[in-house]
Amino acid sequence: GQQVMQIPQYQHVQEGEDFTTYCNSSTTLSNIQWYKQRPGGHPVFLIQLVKSGEVKKQKRLTFQFGEAKKNSSLHITATQTTDVGTYFCAGPAGGSYIPTFGRGTSLIVHP
Amino acid sequence: DGGITQSPKYLFRKEGQNVTLSCEQNLNHDAMYWYRQDPGQGLRLIYYSQIVNDFQKGDIAEGYSVSREKKESFPLTVTSAQKNPTAFYLCASSKRGPSDPEAFFGQGTRLTVV
Repeated sequence: GQQVMQIPQYQHVQEGEDFTTYCNSSTTLSNIQWYKQRPGGHPVFLIQLVKSGEVKKQKRLTFQFGEAKKNSSLHITATQTTDVGTYFCAGPAGGSYIPTFGRGTSLIVHP
Repeated sequence: DGGITQSPKYLFRKEGQNVTLSCEQNLNHDAMYWYRQDPGQGLRLIYYSQIVNDFQKGDIAEGYSVSREKKESFPLTVTSAQKNPTAFYLCASSKRGPSDPEAFFGQGTRLTVV
């Protein structure tokens, strides 16, 4: 079945440094979603990308969807301690809309 | 306020006992899901339901059962057949269809089996 792979699994940064997590799918995705889970919390939807090559920004966060719609990335500029958490990408499984999640990237920001 | 509620937040059970986790939503969503989260494993799909009285197995359904008698409710039973039940369980709901894929999650239930 479809797999959504995410790297890296963990990332330590100093506050103010940039951070990027990558998501790769074995199949073409109709869309991709990104979620953030704070420590001890539950995943919260951040954004959805649908179009090939799409780029969306939310303040310091930049989301990209690859031209082939098989990969995506989330880039955070000048990290802050509030960015700490695990970031998940999710793509619909097969031809359905059921979200299949990657393993997530845990971001640790050192002040 | 609209949302999705899981209860209890923490649950302890003895090995060999069945336990049922509650999930209720008032978002009028057709689709509901159960995920299991283990450290370093991400979210793995246990069961999902797209409509009342219908549900489908996910990737790790063995040892679990569900029901969907009402649109608002999707309880998960962790049976004694589940070999490693200790985990963080997340319930989610969404509108049915690719145009509104955003999944709303409950606060989760942390189950510990001793």
